[in-house]
Amino acid sequence: AQSVSQHNHHVILSEAASLELGCNYSYGGTVNLFWYVQYPGQHLQLLLKYFSGDPLVKGIKGFEAEFIKSKFSFNLRKPSVQWSDTAEYFCAVNKAAGNKLTFGGGTRVLVKP
Amino acid sequence: GAGVSQSPRYKVAKRGQDVALRCDPISGHVSLFWYQQALGQGPEFLTYFQNEAQLDKSGLPSDRFFAERPEGSVSTLKIQRTQQEDSAVYLCASSLGQGSTEAFFGQGTRLTVV
Repeated sequence: AQSVSQHNHHVILSEAASLELGCNYSYGGTVNLFWYVQYPGQHLQLLLKYFSGDPLVKGIKGFEAEFIKSKFSFNLRKPSVQWSDTAEYFCAVNKAAGNKLTFGGGTRVLVKP
Repeated sequence: GAGVSQSPRYKVAKRGQDVALRCDPISGHVSLFWYQQALGQGPEFLTYFQNEAQLDKSGLPSDRFFAERPEGSVSTLKIQRTQQEDSAVYLCASSLGQGSTEAFFGQGTRLTVV
């Protein structure tokens, strides 16, 4: 069975700092990779996704993620965070031919103004 | 509405009580998913529908959990004889169909079993 691990449960940083959230998955076949964000009191929203092609993908709100196949990783980055980036971030995968998502445990990010 | 709608938003049930959670997917979305999110964890897959057909129910934790989507739109997740370990947020998501790239999530129903 596939699994997803996110390295940090909580991250606290100041505005303008750079953010990197780690995500590793275990599955030997072809996968689709996603980062979802959940702002306080809101539903899960898609930040970005990788299916194929350029392993560096850009999403909304200045986020990007890099797929490194050899490391089974899909880390999320943002060069300069804002207070409004305070949220919980979830990495997820599904098999190329399937639909159900397997999520990591999430990382709570708190950006101090 | 434009998004996935779930009701109720909050439900408190006494242990042993039956509950029913409703999901209204985005109009025209063929695929519908239920996930369970325990406190401090990521969502975990429960079951998947394509139209009215339940194609995957491998994530349902016990036979007390039952889901249906009789007309291929609205779905109901029913939990019989609720137990404290059923306390969680239940998320519904929909997508256009097989191979669709994005699932859209509702705000969830927070179930507390006391």
